[in-house]
Amino acid sequence: AQKITQTQPGMFVQEKEAVTLDCTYDTSDPSYGLFWYKQPSSGEMIFLIYQGSYDQQNATEGRYSLNFQKARKSANLVISASQLGDSAMYFCAMRGGDFGNEKLTFGTGTRLTIIP
Amino acid sequence: DAGVIQSPRHEVTEMGQEVTLRCKPISGHNSLFWYRQTMMRGLELLIYFNNNVPIDDSGMPEDRFSAKMPNASFSTLKIQPSEPRDSAVYFCASSFGLAGGTDTQYFGPGTRLTVL
Repeated sequence: AQKITQTQPGMFVQEKEAVTLDCTYDTSDPSYGLFWYKQPSSGEMIFLIYQGSYDQQNATEGRYSLNFQKARKSANLVISASQLGDSAMYFCAMRGGDFGNEKLTFGTGTRLTIIP
Repeated sequence: DAGVIQSPRHEVTEMGQEVTLRCKPISGHNSLFWYRQTMMRGLELLIYFNNNVPIDDSGMPEDRFSAKMPNASFSTLKIQPSEPRDSAVYFCASSFGLAGGTDTQYFGPGTRLTVL
């Protein structure tokens, strides 16, 4: 069974500072994918970034980067130069690598608030 | 390109009524997912299809829930009869349906269901 743990229910960060959102995972699958989604107050789920279990380098997408530490089973999201528009819920998720194991298992989320 | 389309965006109904939620996946995507989001249980998968065939329906809460995918561009989630505890946001997501953990799911805007 797959499990995602997000231990920070809420975070407050000053605008323009960098922020790290924690995510640890547990799985017995040798191949898996890790994802981060953003859910603003409007409710939609927005895909941010993906990391594959066999990827040698950390994923980056603009101001988002994923600090992937496979041995520690952690996949923290780093947002550089935070903006007011980054205020939202952030969910870490994973899926298995096999066909038939495509479902995403989500963490409980972290509510990020950017302070002007 | 159009994203995942869901309708209706909001639905208010009375207990005992039938509710039908609709989803149009991204063109070219072969997998379709129905998720439910509540405060108590977070985001959980209800069912997913690959090439219009249900692959995993273990998350469907009970016989009152049913889902169909008659073709590659349309799916429905039906609740009959509806109960107040079904009140939630229902998301549809789609992906290419690739193995290996690399497949990214893109979410629709969600349907907010309220059962009175």
